[in-house]
Amino acid sequence: QKEVEQDPGPLSVPEGAIVSLNCTYSNSAFQYFMWYRQYSRKGPELLMYTYSSGNKEDGRFTAQVDKSSKYISLFIRDSQPSDSATYLCAMSPWGAAGNKLTFGGGTRVLVKP
Amino acid sequence: GAVVSQHPSRVICKSGTSVKIECRSLDFQATTMFWYRQFPKQSLMLMATSNEGSKATYEQGVEKDKFLINHASLTLSTLTVTSAHPEDSSFYICSAPAPGLQETQYFGPGTRLLVL
Repeated sequence: QKEVEQDPGPLSVPEGAIVSLNCTYSNSAFQYFMWYRQYSRKGPELLMYTYSSGNKEDGRFTAQVDKSSKYISLFIRDSQPSDSATYLCAMSPWGAAGNKLTFGGGTRVLVKP
Repeated sequence: GAVVSQHPSRVICKSGTSVKIECRSLDFQATTMFWYRQFPKQSLMLMATSNEGSKATYEQGVEKDKFLINHASLTLSTLTVTSAHPEDSSFYICSAPAPGLQETQYFGPGTRLLVL
């Protein structure tokens, strides 16, 4: 069993819909959670970063962390075709700066105009 | 955000040759950088942690003699794939901790390696 599980998709939604992404994990030591967006043949781009449980909102993006369930989510409101990409969750026990990240497998999202 | 660059962006080489990939932090210093490998439609797998002024730390199963890492300065880490073989063909990505935002990392654009 992988430490971090993420549905590979593809997840296809019409433009303007809400995109809902999630990851589950098994290591209760994880405290720092990140979401990255990766376009084809490009490096990952940081979207959201959260520490411990709770919600965080940034523009059209909302990240949620439920440590009791070992479950994290990312919601994208008013989705645009430019949001079509692979979304990767990542997490770390001690903070990501000097420590390795454990990634989910990524979910491919397609927003249709 | 902080910028991390990689060079080259794409390289094709013959089997048995060595290939060097550079990772630079453009506007900040990084005592630690990370090297990842990503196969098509798969996630990033950490290969090693590059430490300025000391030896790199390799993940289990990664051959340190095949994947040589040198963190020459506070802004440059290099990954050399020695005696490359077709199975080494992959997307190699580096990352560095973000300055002032200690809990995140910024990634380079990646280098696509094709070994013929």
